[in-house]
Amino acid sequence: AQKVTQAQTEISVVEKEDVTLDCVYETRDTTYYLFWYKQPPSGELVFLIRRNSFDEQNEISGRYSWNFQKSTSSFNFTITASQVVDSAVYFCALSEALDNFNKFYFGSGTKLNVKP
Amino acid sequence: GAVVSQHPSWVICKSGTSVKIECRSLDFQATTMFWYRQFPKQSLMLMATSNEGSKATYEQGVEKDKFLINHASLTLSTLTVTSAHPEDSSFYICSALSSGQAYEQYFGPGTRLTVT
Repeated sequence: AQKVTQAQTEISVVEKEDVTLDCVYETRDTTYYLFWYKQPPSGELVFLIRRNSFDEQNEISGRYSWNFQKSTSSFNFTITASQVVDSAVYFCALSEALDNFNKFYFGSGTKLNVKP
Repeated sequence: GAVVSQHPSWVICKSGTSVKIECRSLDFQATTMFWYRQFPKQSLMLMATSNEGSKATYEQGVEKDKFLINHASLTLSTLTVTSAHPEDSSFYICSALSSGQAYEQYFGPGTRLTVT
């Protein structure tokens, strides 16, 4: 079974629109970390955020915000006022205490196209 | 922040030859490194976990004799694709686990391998 599901394969928006990327995870562990990474066309993964399972506070960083809800096992990512430079593939990932946090389970990724 | 480098960034080789990819942690020691493979428009798949001074642990379905991993020092792991074939063409990404923060993996920029 897929541990991390990103149901949106590809999203296209026009610049300045807000966009939310969904991430649903599955784990039996009570202690885990959730991550978001950005992968631009160059291929290099850019770390965006890490959240541990005990911290459900939403986080905002500039135009980026994250909504962590354990009740729905979701860790959604919102970009406000999107820009062309936001175009990339975004991956959500999970690591669990069971694996000593060594294994990263990546979702299938969501490709975001921001058009001018 | 912690930096992980990979060399080469891209390589083209002929079918039947072997290719070595290096992964280095530049400013921290990494007792554990990971090798991922990413096919076009797909997610990252963990291939193996590389531990300094011991044998690598391979994920199910990954051929140990084809993908040789050596982690000879605390800052260097190598992946050798032996007798490469066109189906081995892929984007290979390594990551390193900081010994100071067990949950934090730092990703390299990736190596694009094309086998002709």
